[in-house]
Amino acid sequence: EVQLVESGGGLVQPGRSLKLSCAASGFTFSDYYMAWVRQAPTKGLEWVASISYDGGSTYYRDSVKGRFTISRDNAKSSLYLQMDSLRSEDTATYYCTTEAGHFWGPGTMVTVSS
Amino acid sequence: DIQMTQSPSSMSVSLGDTVTITCRASQDVGIYVNWFQQKPGKSPRRMIYRATNLADGVPSRFSGSRSGSDYSLTISSLESEDVADYHCLQYDEYPPTFGGGTKLELK
Repeated sequence: EVQLVESGGGLVQPGRSLKLSCAASGFTFSDYYMAWVRQAPTKGLEWVASISYDGGSTYYRDSVKGRFTISRDNAKSSLYLQMDSLRSEDTATYYCTTEAGHFWGPGTMVTVSS
Repeated sequence: DIQMTQSPSSMSVSLGDTVTITCRASQDVGIYVNWFQQKPGKSPRRMIYRATNLADGVPSRFSGSRSGSDYSLTISSLESEDVADYHCLQYDEYPPTFGGGTKLELK
């Protein structure tokens, strides 16, 4: 059974950092591009970042470039999102997903507030 | 960035209805459009991939089609479990972009 399980969300003050993790199982992790997608409360889905099979290529939406870093560890079947200089507009549920959304995790909530 | 203009944003429906949701792409995205269903408090579920292909385990009353830059998701004979939010996604080029979503509500 395919599983993606995110962790690391929580309440954080503006300007601080947070690191999200996603543990994958049930499929060959290294065969997939992976991505983070977020959804602000009552809003639509928004792609955040993607990473290639071996981590050699990364892609970000403009609003997080220079602040967020996506990475992966294929030996651990894990995906990460380092989020620095957090802003209130980053408040959302963050989903770990295979690119194009074949598989999704349940999400982890990030709240940026003082 | 490619814009995916999704319509309608909400729809009042009855059980047994045929429902069609459309996304219009601002430029050519080929077949690289997926459709997702999302229920409250849950993560999205892929329903259609590459515009017209039914994802594993998805009932056959769901279908996807393409006409030029318009992509449609059709639900035939709507059942109560189909009442949810639906989202389209283009992944032809970066950044991948979602439509604004369609909320189905029962009359």
